[in-house]
Parts: sequence; C-alpha cells; structure tokens
Amino acid sequence: DGGITQSPKYLFRKEGQNVTLSCEQNLNHDAMYWYRQDPGQGLRLIYYSQIVNDFQKGDIAEGYSVSREKKESFPLTVTSAQKNPTAFYLCASSPRLAASTDTQYFGPGTRLTVL
Amino acid sequence: AQSVAQPEDQVNVAEGNPLTVKCTYSVSGNPYLFWYVQYPNRGLQFLLKYITGDNLVKGSYGFEAEFNKSQTSFHLKKPSALVSDSALYFCAVRGSSSNTGKLIFGQGTTLQVKP
Repeated sequence: DGGITQSPKYLFRKEGQNVTLSCEQNLNHDAMYWYRQDPGQGLRLIYYSQIVNDFQKGDIAEGYSVSREKKESFPLTVTSAQKNPTAFYLCASSPRLAASTDTQYFGPGTRLTVL
Repeated sequence: AQSVAQPEDQVNVAEGNPLTVKCTYSVSGNPYLFWYVQYPNRGLQFLLKYITGDNLVKGSYGFEAEFNKSQTSFHLKKPSALVSDSALYFCAVRGSSSNTGKLIFGQGTTLQVKP
C-alpha cells in the first residue's frame, strides 16, 4: 500500500447522507485517482486530478465530488445523489498524469456500506 | 475502444505447479500493460509492467508475464505456485496515446492455490 493512506477503513452511511472518504499520499505524486470496485466488475474510474485545484470526471462521476486543495490530499465525497454507493473505494496516485508508462500505486481502500 | 479481457473468473492450481492467469487487450497505440494483485479487503499491489523491450517481464514475488503483440496478450505466470499466492489478480492497460493516465482494468481473476 506504500505511502498512500485512506480513512476510514469501514464506513456506514444512512440513506440521504453525504460522506467523505479521505486519501493522503506522501509520495510527492502529481496525479491522484479515485476508483470504485464492485464484485466481478473490476475497477471503474470516478475522478482524477493531475494538479492542485484541477480535477476531471472519470467514467462514473455522477453522485460523487472531489477537491484537490493540497498536493497530498484528494478527498472523495459520496453524495446522496449516488443511488448505489455501497462498494469498495480505492484511491491511487502516480508521478505524472500524462505519462503513460507511470505506475499507479493504490491505497488500502475504504469499504462503504449504506444502511 | 480500449479494453482488457481476463477470460477466466477463477484459476485453480495445486501448490508447486506452474500457474498462468490470462489477459488479452485492445488499445490505441502501443500498449503499456500492468498486473496487480489484491488480497481480501486490501488495496491493489503492483506486480509488474511491460513498457517496451524484452517480451518477458519479471516482477515481484517470482511472477513474470509474457507480452505477445500478435496475440495481444499479456499472461501472468509463475513456475511454482504457493498457497499464499491465492488472491485476486487484475490486468490493466493504457495506450501510448492516452493523455489522461487512465488505466483500463480487466474484471479480475481469482487464483486459488490448493495445498
């Protein structure tokens, strides 16, 4: 899991609540990513960011929001608009966004369950 | 469209036997290929990647992968499986023309190594 931390490890949310998942990295990487993992579906990209104060939607951004106020931090908010938020959420980082050869490194994940 | 296929949901091998986890891909430009491993309720750990050069890539924990351009494949291999290799394995690809850093993941293959 390297220098990427995610908290909390487990999170329970009631219907209609917004929740924020934390992701911090000390690798001095420019690029950060959020993925959602569902059983049998692999990983799907929610948002990504290549620099402070800049981020882009991924394939399944609806119902999610992010911020990138600091290079080390890329929190993800799961809003009440996300209809099926129960999933395992993974944060990743890589040295540079546009460098296709760079490896992405992943955090340990947060498991979100909607009650 | 870029895609990755892992044709087997599960691979079962006996400890000490060789293992192969299959991956095929479709991508624009030159492919950059990655293998990751995931243990239960953990993040993804990077195993190895192919960027260019020798078609046989060696990675962590004794794993290796063979790039075959004509068959658009990047199968993961290990000469002698360990029970501790039992996990979920993901193949991922990024095309050389990508400027978003986006990785395309396969749906994952569960490797079960039996004593």
